[in-house]
Amino acid sequence: KQEVTQIPAALSVPEGENLVLNCSFTDSAIYNLQWFRQDPGKGLTSLLLIQSSQREQTSGRLNASLDKSSGRSTLYIAASQPGDSATYLCAVIKAAGNKLTFGGGTRVLVKP
Amino acid sequence: EAQVTQNPRYLITVTGKKLTVTCSQNMNHEYMSWYRQDPGLGLRQIYYSMNVEVTDKGDVPEGYKVSRKEKRNFPLILESPSPNQTSLYFCASSYSMDVAGTEAFFGQGTRLTVV
Repeated sequence: KQEVTQIPAALSVPEGENLVLNCSFTDSAIYNLQWFRQDPGKGLTSLLLIQSSQREQTSGRLNASLDKSSGRSTLYIAASQPGDSATYLCAVIKAAGNKLTFGGGTRVLVKP
Repeated sequence: EAQVTQNPRYLITVTGKKLTVTCSQNMNHEYMSWYRQDPGLGLRQIYYSMNVEVTDKGDVPEGYKVSRKEKRNFPLILESPSPNQTSLYFCASSYSMDVAGTEAFFGQGTRLTVV
């Protein structure tokens, strides 16, 4: 059974500092890993999608890496801003699966 | 604009009163799914559909029904809601679950309270 873990559960940084968010998964037979952002009580916004054959994806200040063999992904957010405060979730799709399996999320607070 | 639309966004109802949460996508996606999100339990899949008229149970299907009569719509039905179904519900869609690189899109969520 695929299990996805995100550590730490919560993170507080001063504005301008780089953010490093971790995601680990137990079954390396995945199609994709997707990072989402969730604001309190709101929906999930897709940030980055990494296919299993890729090692990283970049979008603006965001960079996500994937090491499938070790079951890890890292989301880097450069030069954090208060508007980056949210919960970040990673999710994997198992090969020939039928659902996204989510981690518990990392709640980020960027202090001005 | 490509999107997944859920309605209503907020709903308070009483135990036993049947309700339906609608979900519609405009991306011609084959795959649609419902999740619920609860504190400490994360996001869990309720039901999913691989295509029209094809639905199957997820991890927590008890107390829920779904139908997929049209490709764009995937309503979630609670025949007799109970307080333990109080949760934040999300509908999701993607082109496929069988192709690497297929991105999943989520609706804005429905906050359901059953009293």
